[in-house]
Amino acid sequence: DQQVKQNSPSLSVQEGRISILNCDYTNSMFDYFLWYKKYPAEGPTFLISISSIKDKNEDGRFTVFLNKSAKHLSLHIVPSQPGDSAVYFCAARQGGKLIFGQGTELSVKP
Amino acid sequence: DAGVIQSPRHEVTEMGQEVTLRCKPISGHNSLFWYRQTMMRGLELLIYFNNNVPIDDSGMPEDRFSAKMPNASFSTLKIQPSEPRDSAVYFCASTPPARSLYGYTFGSGTRLTVV
Repeated sequence: DQQVKQNSPSLSVQEGRISILNCDYTNSMFDYFLWYKKYPAEGPTFLISISSIKDKNEDGRFTVFLNKSAKHLSLHIVPSQPGDSAVYFCAARQGGKLIFGQGTELSVKP
Repeated sequence: DAGVIQSPRHEVTEMGQEVTLRCKPISGHNSLFWYRQTMMRGLELLIYFNNNVPIDDSGMPEDRFSAKMPNASFSTLKIQPSEPRDSAVYFCASTPPARSLYGYTFGSGTRLTVV
């Protein structure tokens, strides 16, 4: 069973506009949620995280929102840039391990 | 710091053959994770070690998969016999003792193709 789900395999956005990537989870015991970014032929790299006791965390152009009642989180990128084109993975921490979603491929068009 | 080093970068093998993937974690990191990336399941945790001891191998698909960590600087993931459905990108990651959220460092992966 997939405990962390990203239901949109791909997203295309115009440069300068907002990108919104979504993630749903099923386990209430996750204590942290993270977003990772992955370029082709490279490993995923950490982007931003949020504690389960918070509902928002912002870092520059990136903001993560957490809705615990809906078991949903989202990543907002404003403004989107062509260099943001990559696969974005949502992850949740349980104990000593990270559980990832399927990933969403973001394409930002000039 | 050379990061997490995985070898080989690409592996093409015939069905039924044994495949061994290798990982060298970052020096000083005491947890090591093996993930597999597929389109359907994304990044799937196979097994993780803490201080060279396997902690959770519930993600290992079946008995054909095995992993070892003989010392703090080396781990292997072995598939014997390999099957076409094992084709995927396999990632290794390591983290420092402090369980820092920012410390999960991934290698560049091994792309495995079983024909």
